[in-house]
Amino acid sequence: DIQMTQSPSSLSASVGDRVTITCRASQNIRNDVGWGQQKPGKAPKRLIYGASSLLSGVPSRFTGSGYGTEFTLTISSLQPEDFATYFCLQYNSYPRTFGQGTRVEIK
Amino acid sequence: EVQLVESGGGLVQPGESLRLSCAASGFMFSNYWMDWVRQAPGKGLEWVANINEDGSQKYYVDSVKGRFTISRDNARSSLYLQMNSLRADDTAVYYCSGRLDYWGQGVLVTVSS
Repeated sequence: DIQMTQSPSSLSASVGDRVTITCRASQNIRNDVGWGQQKPGKAPKRLIYGASSLLSGVPSRFTGSGYGTEFTLTISSLQPEDFATYFCLQYNSYPRTFGQGTRVEIK
Repeated sequence: EVQLVESGGGLVQPGESLRLSCAASGFMFSNYWMDWVRQAPGKGLEWVANINEDGSQKYYVDSVKGRFTISRDNARSSLYLQMNSLRADDTAVYYCSGRLDYWGQGVLVTVSS
C-alpha cells in the first residue's frame, strides 16, 4: 500500500497567515493526489485534484503543488472559515490512501 | 445541486450484517465511479471500496475483502454497501462519495455487543 505521510499533524495560525501543509508519498504517484477539508461533524469536501487543479467554487487562496512523492497545500491568506482539518489522498493505486490529517486551529 | 444521502446505519452485534444505501442526485450518477469511505471515531479517513460506472469493476481495502460487497443501481441512482460478518473495528461513519469529489453527510455504523 502507498503510505501518505502528512505534516504537521496540527498547527496554530492567525487570520491572514500563509499556511503550508505537506504530504509525502511512499512511492512515485505522479500527480494523482487530491486535497480536502473537513470540519467537525461535517462531510469532507474535496478542494484539489491532480495535485494542483482547484475544484469549481474553491477559493483561489488554496493552491496545490508537487509531483512524484512530495506535495503541498498552501493557503495564501487564512480566513476564519478555513479553520478545519485538511487531508491529502492518493488515487494512483489501490487501495486509495489518505494522509493522517492536519488540524488548523486559531492562534 | 449535488446530493448524496446515506441511510441504513445503526447498532448491530459482532457477526451481524447491515446494508448501507446512498441516493444520489444532481449529477450524472451513471458516469461516475463511486466510493465508500469510512471514519472511525476520532480517527482519519479510510477508503473502503469503489465501483466503476457500470458495476463491472470493484475494488476493496484488504480489511473488508470477502465481507463487504459494493454495488450500484444506475436506474435508481443508488449505491450500496452490503456489510457481513461485522466486527467492532468496522465501527465508523460511512461516507458515500462520487469519485471522491462529492461526499454525503455520512451514516454511523456501530458494532458492539
